[in-house]
Amino acid sequence: GQQLNQSPQSMFIQEGEDVSMNCTSSSIFNTWLWYKQDPGEGPVLLIALYKAGELTSNGRLTAQFGITRKDSFLNISASIPSDVGIYFCAGLRAGTSYGKLTFGQGTILTVHP
Amino acid sequence: GAVVSQHPSRVICKSGTSVKIECRSLDFQATTMFWYRQFPKKSLMLMATSNEGSKATYEQGVEKDKFLINHASLTLSTLTVTSAHPEDSSFYICSALQGARTDTQYFGPGTRLTVL
Repeated sequence: GQQLNQSPQSMFIQEGEDVSMNCTSSSIFNTWLWYKQDPGEGPVLLIALYKAGELTSNGRLTAQFGITRKDSFLNISASIPSDVGIYFCAGLRAGTSYGKLTFGQGTILTVHP
Repeated sequence: GAVVSQHPSRVICKSGTSVKIECRSLDFQATTMFWYRQFPKKSLMLMATSNEGSKATYEQGVEKDKFLINHASLTLSTLTVTSAHPEDSSFYICSALQGARTDTQYFGPGTRLTVL
């Protein structure tokens, strides 16, 4: 079952606002990944984090690998309508089988123009 | 780089028939691929890990005789849903590990299966 707690489950914001979502776990992770999924499509990798404390940006997106290795957050600045979709965090837990990811429940983002 | 394709994107079949879904890594070799199932507005549920040249590893509760996986080459894995029933209708997504990296998965666009 799910071992990543992702919040919030959904967000309704106005265009231009900043967005923040996070994932936490009781387990230690070696890698954190953030994906975005559009309706009827597969997840697309947004940001990958490989080291505790790492802060990485990709355009208007910024993500951080928590220093305890048990959490990560994703920020989206100045949201635009095309940011709409489901955002998933995923992690590679220490000691798990080869490449097997654990997923968060997803955050459904709605952006009102 | 790191493009993964799936075929078909949508398939509708009659109950009792079998359906094959292909997952290809287009610009890299993938020793390991994964197959997921996703219900509407839910997260991805791992079904099995597909390893080139060996048997797939299935997650608990996934029937290996119903969901046949074949990873015959470094760029192709197939999932065959045998004797499909309406409850098998779902969105099936594959992913691939790029080369020797074990820490980053790239996903295909998914296949929508509808069983009548």
